[in-house]
Amino acid sequence: EIVLTQSPGTLSLSPGERATLSCRASQSVSSSYLAWYQQKPGQAPRLLIYGASSRATGIPDRFSGSGSGTDFTLTISRLEPEDFAVYYCQQYGSSPPAWTFGQGTKVEIK
Amino acid sequence: QLQLQESGPGLVKPSETLSLTCTVSGGSISSSSYYWGWIRQPPGKGLEWIGSIYYSGSTYYNPSLKSRVTISVDTSKNQFSLKLSSVTAADTAVYYCARRVDYSSGWYVFRYFDLWGRGTLVTVSS
Repeated sequence: EIVLTQSPGTLSLSPGERATLSCRASQSVSSSYLAWYQQKPGQAPRLLIYGASSRATGIPDRFSGSGSGTDFTLTISRLEPEDFAVYYCQQYGSSPPAWTFGQGTKVEIK
Repeated sequence: QLQLQESGPGLVKPSETLSLTCTVSGGSISSSSYYWGWIRQPPGKGLEWIGSIYYSGSTYYNPSLKSRVTISVDTSKNQFSLKLSSVTAADTAVYYCARRVDYSSGWYVFRYFDLWGRGTLVTVSS
C-alpha cells in the first residue's frame, strides 16, 4: 500500500502570503492519479487539482500543483481569506486498485 | 446539475451492520465514464476511502476493510449502497459518497473524485 505523507501538519500564514504544501509518497505514483482537495469545516472535500497539476473547473489560478514520482506540491500564490482550510492529497494505485489520502495539512490564519 | 445525497441511520449499535444509500440525481448512475465511491472521515481526522463500484456491479475495496464491506448498485433507482458489518466505535465517522471520473486527454487518463455528497454522520454506540 502506498502511504502519502503531507507536511507540514499545520501552516500558519497571513492573507496575501504564499503557501507551499508538500505530499510525499512511499513509492512512485502516477501523476495522472494524484489529486488535491480542499476541505472547510462541516463541508465535503472539494477537488482543486487533478493529474498533479491541472486545475479543476472553477478553481482560481492562485492554486497550482506540481511534482512527479514521489514528491508533489500544492502552492497557493497569495492566500485569500477563504483559502484557510485543510488540504488533502490523494492517489490511486492499481496493484491492488485502491485510493489513499494524505493525513492533511491545515492552513490557518496567523 | 448532478448531485449526490447520502441517507441512512445516524446511530448504529456495536456489532451490527451499518447501511447507507447514496442517491444520484440530475444524471445517470449508468454512465460508462464514472465509478462511484464511499469515503469516510472520523471526527477530527482525515479521509479514508472505503470502496468503489461501477454501474455494472464491479467493485473494489480498501484492503483494510474488505472483509466487512459490501457495496452494491441499483441502476433502476439511480442509487448505490454501502454495508459495513460488525461495526465498532472506530467506525464512527462522516460517510461521503462521491463520483470518480476517468478523464481522457491525449495519451493520459486522469482519475479523481470530482463530486461529493454532503456527508452523513454515523455514530456507533449502544
